[in-house]
Amino acid sequence: EAQVTQNPRYLITVTGKKLTVTCSQNMNHEYMSWYRQDPGLGLRQIYYSMNVEVTDKGDVPEGYKVSRKEKRNFPLILESPSPNQTSLYFCASSVGNEQFFGPGTRLTVL
Amino acid sequence: GQQLNQSPQSMFIQEGEDVSMNCTSSSIFNTWLWYKQDPGEGPVLLIALYKAGELTSNGRLTAQFGITRKDSFLNISASIPSDVGIYFCAGQQGGSEKLVFGKGTKLTVNP
Repeated sequence: EAQVTQNPRYLITVTGKKLTVTCSQNMNHEYMSWYRQDPGLGLRQIYYSMNVEVTDKGDVPEGYKVSRKEKRNFPLILESPSPNQTSLYFCASSVGNEQFFGPGTRLTVL
Repeated sequence: GQQLNQSPQSMFIQEGEDVSMNCTSSSIFNTWLWYKQDPGEGPVLLIALYKAGELTSNGRLTAQFGITRKDSFLNISASIPSDVGIYFCAGQQGGSEKLVFGKGTKLTVNP
Protein backbone atom coordinates (compact mmCIF):
# COMPACT_ATOMS: atom_id res chain seq x y z
CA GLU A 1 0.00 0.00 0.00
CA ALA A 2 1.33 3.42 -1.01
CA GLN A 3 1.80 5.47 2.10
CA VAL A 4 3.72 8.00 4.14
CA THR A 5 4.49 6.95 7.69
CA GLN A 6 5.55 9.09 10.62
CA ASN A 7 6.84 8.20 14.04
CA PRO A 8 6.06 8.84 16.75
CA ARG A 9 2.39 9.83 16.40
CA TYR A 10 2.37 11.54 19.77
CA LEU A 11 5.25 12.97 21.77
CA ILE A 12 5.47 14.98 24.96
CA THR A 13 8.91 16.32 25.78
CA VAL A 14 10.64 19.06 27.72
CA THR A 15 12.37 22.21 26.56
CA GLY A 16 15.86 21.62 25.22
CA LYS A 17 15.72 17.85 24.83
CA LYS A 18 16.70 16.95 21.27
CA LEU A 19 14.20 14.91 19.33
CA THR A 20 13.72 13.44 15.87
CA VAL A 21 10.47 12.72 14.07
CA THR A 22 10.92 10.15 11.34
CA CYS A 23 9.15 10.15 7.99
CA SER A 24 9.25 7.41 5.38
CA GLN A 25 7.50 6.96 2.02
CA ASN A 26 7.31 3.89 -0.20
CA MET A 27 6.29 5.59 -3.44
CA ASN A 28 9.79 6.46 -4.68
CA HIS A 29 8.87 10.15 -4.66
CA GLU A 30 11.66 12.66 -5.07
CA TYR A 31 9.93 15.62 -3.39
CA MET A 32 9.27 15.50 0.35
CA SER A 33 8.35 18.20 2.81
CA TRP A 34 7.46 18.94 6.41
CA TYR A 35 4.58 21.11 7.58
CA ARG A 36 3.31 22.30 10.89
CA GLN A 37 -0.36 22.89 11.50
CA ASP A 38 -1.52 25.37 14.11
CA PRO A 39 -5.07 26.53 14.88
CA GLY A 40 -6.05 29.43 12.67
CA LEU A 41 -2.81 29.30 10.70
CA GLY A 42 -3.37 26.32 8.44
CA LEU A 43 -0.41 24.35 7.10
CA ARG A 44 2.95 26.05 6.91
CA GLN A 45 5.94 24.49 5.23
CA ILE A 46 9.03 24.02 7.42
CA TYR A 47 11.53 22.39 5.06
CA TYR A 48 11.42 20.56 1.78
CA SER A 49 13.68 18.29 -0.22
CA MET A 50 13.71 17.92 -3.97
CA ASN A 51 15.92 14.83 -3.93
CA VAL A 52 18.59 13.01 -1.98
CA GLU A 53 21.02 15.45 -0.36
CA VAL A 54 18.99 18.42 -1.64
CA THR A 55 17.07 20.28 1.06
CA ASP A 56 15.86 23.85 1.44
CA LYS A 57 14.02 26.07 3.87
CA GLY A 58 10.29 26.53 3.68
CA ASP A 59 8.33 29.34 5.29
CA VAL A 60 9.01 28.59 8.97
CA PRO A 61 12.39 26.81 9.23
CA GLU A 62 13.71 28.38 12.47
CA GLY A 63 14.46 25.79 15.15
CA TYR A 64 14.33 22.82 12.79
CA LYS A 65 16.77 20.72 10.80
CA VAL A 66 16.25 18.01 8.22
CA SER A 67 18.33 15.51 6.34
CA ARG A 68 17.78 13.46 3.19
CA LYS A 69 20.39 10.73 3.01
CA GLU A 70 18.15 8.35 1.10
CA LYS A 71 15.09 8.88 -1.04
CA ARG A 72 12.53 7.21 1.20
CA ASN A 73 13.38 8.93 4.50
CA PHE A 74 13.15 12.57 5.54
CA PRO A 75 13.55 13.03 9.30
CA LEU A 76 12.73 16.27 11.10
CA ILE A 77 15.14 17.21 13.88
CA LEU A 78 14.52 19.61 16.73
CA GLU A 79 17.93 20.21 18.33
CA SER A 80 16.59 22.23 21.25
CA PRO A 81 12.77 22.20 21.29
CA SER A 82 10.89 25.12 22.77
CA PRO A 83 7.24 25.46 23.79
CA ASN A 84 6.42 27.47 20.65
CA GLN A 85 7.19 24.33 18.66
CA THR A 86 4.20 22.60 20.21
CA SER A 87 2.18 21.75 17.13
CA LEU A 88 0.85 19.09 14.79
CA TYR A 89 3.46 18.07 12.24
CA PHE A 90 2.87 16.49 8.85
CA CYS A 91 5.31 14.93 6.46
CA ALA A 92 4.36 14.74 2.79
CA SER A 93 5.79 13.33 -0.41
CA SER A 94 4.78 14.11 -3.94
CA VAL A 95 5.25 13.66 -7.59
CA GLY A 96 3.79 16.39 -9.73
CA ASN A 97 0.76 18.06 -8.22
CA GLU A 98 -0.48 15.54 -5.68
CA GLN A 99 1.08 15.58 -2.23
CA PHE A 100 0.49 12.53 -0.03
CA PHE A 101 0.43 13.34 3.66
CA GLY A 102 1.42 11.20 6.60
CA PRO A 103 -0.93 10.74 9.58
CA GLY A 104 0.67 13.49 11.63
CA THR A 105 2.76 13.78 14.81
CA ARG A 106 1.33 15.73 17.70
CA LEU A 107 4.22 17.27 19.63
CA THR A 108 3.95 18.97 23.00
CA VAL A 109 6.99 20.76 24.40
CA LEU A 110 6.71 21.59 28.10
CA GLY B 1 5.54 33.22 3.64
CA GLN B 2 2.73 33.51 1.15
CA GLN B 3 -0.70 32.21 2.10
CA LEU B 4 -4.04 32.05 0.41
CA ASN B 5 -7.14 33.80 1.76
CA GLN B 6 -9.71 31.11 2.42
CA SER B 7 -13.26 31.76 3.58
CA PRO B 8 -15.29 31.15 5.54
CA GLN B 9 -13.18 30.01 8.48
CA SER B 10 -15.96 27.77 9.74
CA MET B 11 -19.44 26.65 8.77
CA PHE B 12 -22.22 25.01 10.72
CA ILE B 13 -24.88 23.50 8.47
CA GLN B 14 -27.73 21.02 8.52
CA GLU B 15 -27.46 17.69 6.75
CA GLY B 16 -28.70 18.01 3.18
CA GLU B 17 -27.65 21.62 2.72
CA ASP B 18 -25.21 22.76 0.05
CA VAL B 19 -21.86 24.27 1.03
CA SER B 20 -19.64 26.77 -0.74
CA MET B 21 -16.15 27.93 0.20
CA ASN B 22 -13.54 29.88 -1.71
CA CYS B 23 -9.91 30.85 -1.88
CA THR B 24 -8.34 34.01 -3.24
CA SER B 25 -4.82 35.23 -3.79
CA SER B 26 -3.02 38.34 -4.95
CA SER B 27 -0.76 36.11 -7.06
CA ILE B 28 -1.42 33.90 -10.05
CA PHE B 29 -1.35 30.15 -9.57
CA ASN B 30 -0.99 27.49 -12.24
CA THR B 31 -2.67 24.77 -10.23
CA TRP B 32 -5.36 24.85 -7.57
CA LEU B 33 -5.96 21.91 -5.26
CA TRP B 34 -8.58 21.15 -2.63
CA TYR B 35 -7.80 18.88 0.32
CA LYS B 36 -9.92 17.48 3.14
CA GLN B 37 -8.58 16.67 6.57
CA ASP B 38 -10.58 14.29 8.74
CA PRO B 39 -10.09 14.58 12.50
CA GLY B 40 -6.82 12.97 13.57
CA GLU B 41 -5.57 12.39 10.04
CA GLY B 42 -3.51 14.05 7.34
CA PRO B 43 -5.04 15.98 4.45
CA VAL B 44 -6.25 13.99 1.45
CA LEU B 45 -6.54 15.39 -2.06
CA LEU B 46 -10.14 15.86 -3.27
CA ILE B 47 -9.85 17.74 -6.55
CA ALA B 48 -7.01 19.15 -8.67
CA LEU B 49 -7.54 21.97 -11.19
CA TYR B 50 -5.01 22.74 -13.91
CA LYS B 51 -6.56 25.27 -16.28
CA ALA B 52 -8.15 28.67 -15.82
CA GLY B 53 -11.93 28.33 -16.02
CA GLU B 54 -11.82 24.58 -15.44
CA LEU B 55 -14.80 23.11 -13.60
CA THR B 56 -14.27 19.64 -12.15
CA SER B 57 -16.54 17.35 -10.16
CA ASN B 58 -15.85 14.46 -7.82
CA GLY B 59 -19.14 12.99 -6.68
CA ARG B 60 -21.00 15.65 -4.72
CA LEU B 61 -17.98 17.98 -4.88
CA THR B 62 -17.45 20.57 -7.59
CA ALA B 63 -14.51 22.92 -7.82
CA GLN B 64 -13.59 25.68 -10.25
CA PHE B 65 -10.32 27.34 -11.22
CA GLY B 66 -11.02 31.08 -11.54
CA ILE B 67 -10.43 32.66 -14.91
CA THR B 68 -8.08 35.24 -13.39
CA ARG B 69 -6.04 32.31 -11.96
CA LYS B 70 -6.16 34.07 -8.59
CA ASP B 71 -9.11 32.25 -7.07
CA SER B 72 -10.93 28.96 -6.74
CA PHE B 73 -14.09 27.71 -5.10
CA LEU B 74 -15.37 24.38 -3.81
CA ASN B 75 -19.01 23.39 -3.58
CA ILE B 76 -20.41 20.42 -1.72
CA SER B 77 -23.98 19.48 -2.56
CA ALA B 78 -26.43 17.67 -0.27
CA SER B 79 -24.03 17.50 2.67
CA ILE B 80 -23.88 14.39 4.86
CA PRO B 81 -22.38 13.89 8.34
CA SER B 82 -19.15 12.36 6.97
CA ASP B 83 -18.41 15.65 5.17
CA VAL B 84 -17.29 16.97 8.56
CA GLY B 85 -13.67 18.05 8.58
CA ILE B 86 -11.32 20.83 7.58
CA TYR B 87 -11.10 21.75 3.91
CA PHE B 88 -7.93 23.36 2.60
CA CYS B 89 -7.27 25.05 -0.68
CA ALA B 90 -3.72 24.98 -2.01
CA GLY B 91 -1.99 26.55 -4.97
CA GLN B 92 1.11 25.85 -7.00
CA GLN B 93 3.09 28.37 -9.01
CA GLY B 94 5.34 27.87 -12.00
CA GLY B 95 7.26 24.60 -12.16
CA SER B 96 7.59 24.22 -8.40
CA GLU B 97 6.08 21.36 -6.41
CA LYS B 98 5.74 23.68 -3.41
CA LEU B 99 2.17 24.11 -2.21
CA VAL B 100 0.84 27.29 -0.62
CA PHE B 101 -2.11 26.54 1.65
CA GLY B 102 -5.14 28.45 2.81
CA LYS B 103 -5.93 28.48 6.52
CA GLY B 104 -8.77 26.04 6.12
CA THR B 105 -12.57 25.95 6.43
CA LYS B 106 -13.87 23.87 9.30
CA LEU B 107 -17.18 22.24 8.36
CA THR B 108 -19.66 20.92 10.88
CA VAL B 109 -22.74 19.06 9.66
CA ASN B 110 -25.63 18.59 12.04
CA PRO B 111 -27.68 15.45 11.39
